[in-house]
Amino acid sequence: ETGVTQTPRHLVMGMTNKKSLKCEQHLGHNAMYWYKQSAKKPLELMFVYNFKEQTENNSVPSRFSPECPNSSHLFLHLHTLQPEDSALYLCASSQGDQADTQYFGPGTRLTVL
Amino acid sequence: QKEVEQNSGPLSVPEGAIASLNCTYSDRVSQSFFWYRQYSGKSPELIMSIYSNGDKEDGRFTAQLNKASQYVSLLIRDSQPSDSATYLCAVNEGYGGATNKLIFGTGTLLAVQP
Repeated sequence: ETGVTQTPRHLVMGMTNKKSLKCEQHLGHNAMYWYKQSAKKPLELMFVYNFKEQTENNSVPSRFSPECPNSSHLFLHLHTLQPEDSALYLCASSQGDQADTQYFGPGTRLTVL
Repeated sequence: QKEVEQNSGPLSVPEGAIASLNCTYSDRVSQSFFWYRQYSGKSPELIMSIYSNGDKEDGRFTAQLNKASQYVSLLIRDSQPSDSATYLCAVNEGYGGATNKLIFGTGTLLAVQP
């Protein structure tokens, strides 16, 4: 595996379900990010982890719960989501410096029924 | 509220022409600027990064930065139908810590007509 991988690629869940999104980076980076991309809206930064520590929570509702067990893995735990949470969820990684490029995974297309 | 503004388009250009994509940003202390390309149903991929005023060329792509005017642009020469995609402008949020917090524009949809 190379670059940034995400699983699952597609997910359909009910509002009462609990599911998790997984992201793994094979680039040796130190920072990882979760973004939400909805139609007609800019990419929205959700969470930032640097060296496994959360350094940014962009006012995300508590029904989204991130977890970063090490610098290569990032999870987004989902519970009691709403239909408006349906979107493309993108994971990215970078070296961690402010000038560094962020590299994106393929994303998880989430549909909440 | 720090913002990055782009014309949503679509910007339609004939094959072989120059496509010019523009972006303005509100955070005067931003130091890093990125152009990403996103095909429909795919994730963003980096096209260019630029950090200093002036032009930066890479193949058919040229990024231009003017910090005084808070303006960054992307020129695509000899446009090809395969260039048809949404182009996202991203700007770092000023002097970050060890992380790179990016603010994205809504993107400009480019359509290159054969």
